[in-house]
Amino acid sequence: GAGVSQSPSNKVTEKGKDVELRCDPISGHTALYWYRQSLGQGLEFLIYFQGNSAPDKSGLPSDRFSAERTGGSVSTLTIQRTQQEDSAVYLCASSHGNSYEQYFGPGTRLTVT
Amino acid sequence: GENVEQHPSTLSVQEGDSAVIKCTYSDSASNYFPWYKQELGKGPQLIIDIRSNVGEKKDQRIAVTLNKTAKHFSLHITETQPEDSAVYFCAASPGGNNRLAFGKGNQVVVIP
Repeated sequence: GAGVSQSPSNKVTEKGKDVELRCDPISGHTALYWYRQSLGQGLEFLIYFQGNSAPDKSGLPSDRFSAERTGGSVSTLTIQRTQQEDSAVYLCASSHGNSYEQYFGPGTRLTVT
Repeated sequence: GENVEQHPSTLSVQEGDSAVIKCTYSDSASNYFPWYKQELGKGPQLIIDIRSNVGEKKDQRIAVTLNKTAKHFSLHITETQPEDSAVYFCAASPGGNNRLAFGKGNQVVVIP
């Protein structure tokens, strides 16, 4: 079946601009996660959605970062007033119910110039 | 919070030999330990995982072992092939919740 999809695959933006990154989870998966992967680093947790529960936003690095999930499916990660240190690959993952197994999308490579 | 460390950072092996990557974690409440393989330009792919109530799990050429007392777990790849070349990440689910804390990754290079 279809896996997690993310768009765009690459995004180049100027410092100070806002960007929106999109994630389509695997159909039927109620849990959705956003992670950030900086060059040569591991994955850093950003935010977690589970069904209709309030999201766990504890990983968001600043108030410039926000995410929403509409209708329990598609999620959008928004970064306002982008900075060069925001340059990274943003990865989305989903899982079924309360299952531990997380399945990742291909990521969006964000470059802030 | 949970701190996961991986060693070595880079590992080169001859094709056909075995590769072992070790991870340590800090939170004794962690109960789920997956391994992911990431190829260039792709997202991480779940290759094997283990729960805290199991000491070892095997799937064809890959296996994972867990030592809860020492708080470390290892990935074993036998009969390595060139397509095993990738970055491998270990992770732990801290505090028993579903968030994953990742190590920084190991670059494995299989030399034909």
